[in-house]
Amino acid sequence: GAVVSQHPSRVICKSGTSVKIECRSLDFQATTMFWYRQFPKQSLMLMATSNEGSKATYEQGVEKDKFLINHASLTLSTLTVTSAHPEDSSFYICSGGSQETQYFGPGTRLLVL
Amino acid sequence: AQKITQTQPGMFVQEKEAVTLDCTYDTSDPSYGLFWYKQPSSGEMIFLIYQGSYDQQNATEGRYSLNFQKARKSANLVISASQLGDSAMYFCAMREDTGGFKTIFGAGTRLFVKA
Repeated sequence: GAVVSQHPSRVICKSGTSVKIECRSLDFQATTMFWYRQFPKQSLMLMATSNEGSKATYEQGVEKDKFLINHASLTLSTLTVTSAHPEDSSFYICSGGSQETQYFGPGTRLLVL
Repeated sequence: AQKITQTQPGMFVQEKEAVTLDCTYDTSDPSYGLFWYKQPSSGEMIFLIYQGSYDQQNATEGRYSLNFQKARKSANLVISASQLGDSAMYFCAMREDTGGFKTIFGAGTRLFVKA
């Protein structure tokens, strides 16, 4: 199946700093990618839809100025958590693919101290 | 309103037996897709099976089958011949075809396979 990579897999940062997470589709082109957040023992919550060449679409309650999304090419979408705080500590997962199959990246565990 | 409902927080099954994980959904969109994903402790999301709303037959993929009952808006996952490696979280998800093809997830069911 198609492969989606994420980098970094784990990151620990200090409160107030920004963290960039990359999501790459390795063997397909993705005009749309999705970003999810998963807190421990909870489900995946859709944060935003990343659209190649245009602005991302954010879900209700997700701050677009805090979670900056850039989708500059058909194989790369980035999520930047700006001024991270401990409550932003979570598992961030991206996905891309087709109508019938979404392939997920391996996820990025963010810990904000 | 909850669009994807998984009512079983945890399930136990004996190795080699079959197990059904429940999922109900709510949508007014006539075109949608239903998915099941497996998430082991490593966190990766593993695609298991897909059912489109217009598909006439229930989807099957190896030991996985999806019991699609459209009128009841249910999409239960059946795992046959359970294996110890099947122990994981299982998420039911739905893609509505209006609104950008985004996919939303249920709360998940943790499956424990006993030896």
